[in-house]
Amino acid sequence: AQSVAQPEDQVNVAEGNPLTVKCTYSVSGNPYLFWYVQYPNRGLQFLLKYITGDNLVKGSYGFEAEFNKSQTSFHLKKPSALVSDSALYFCAVRDIHNYGQNFVFGPGTRLSVLP
Amino acid sequence: GAVVSQHPSWVICKSGTSVKIECRSLDFQATTMFWYRQFPKQSLMLMATSNEGSKATYEQGVEKDKFLINHASLTLSTLTVTSAHPEDSSFYICSARAGEDTQYFGPGTRLTVL
Repeated sequence: AQSVAQPEDQVNVAEGNPLTVKCTYSVSGNPYLFWYVQYPNRGLQFLLKYITGDNLVKGSYGFEAEFNKSQTSFHLKKPSALVSDSALYFCAVRDIHNYGQNFVFGPGTRLSVLP
Repeated sequence: GAVVSQHPSWVICKSGTSVKIECRSLDFQATTMFWYRQFPKQSLMLMATSNEGSKATYEQGVEKDKFLINHASLTLSTLTVTSAHPEDSSFYICSARAGEDTQYFGPGTRLTVL
């Protein structure tokens, strides 16, 4: 079975400081990993994904994430947070061998960037 | 990037009426689309997987006669909430899968049943 954990409901950072939103996963095989962002009353926007290759993945709006197989983690990071980054962030996983399966989403982490 | 649209973006209806929500992939073909429901301050709950030209696959606990899904073409899936009741009020989001991995999401439809 697949599962995703986002251990923090809420993350607060000051503008200009680095931010990290944590994600750990569990799949039976190798994972496809994704990060999405959701602004109020909007759908989810794709930020980045890890499929294979370099463990450090760069995505939209200056975000990046590092795949760590030994720790089964895929934490989202940004070197310098902006107030406009305040939103709800979802991590998602799918087993690459289970094409028919949907993503499993984490519960979400609300990021607040304080001016 | 791939764009998915939903229509309407919001709808208010009376209890007992039916509401249809459309999900379109605008610049790519999607053999598979997904319908989610999201309650306030919660994650997405998958309702069903919609495959073009075949019956939708519903998640456990989702009434297929209540939430009718039709995926008539490679760019359009519809969700019809039949005989809507106030407890059906929610934010409904669709997504379309591009290729083998990435899902692209629509902007969502807020349904309010009075």
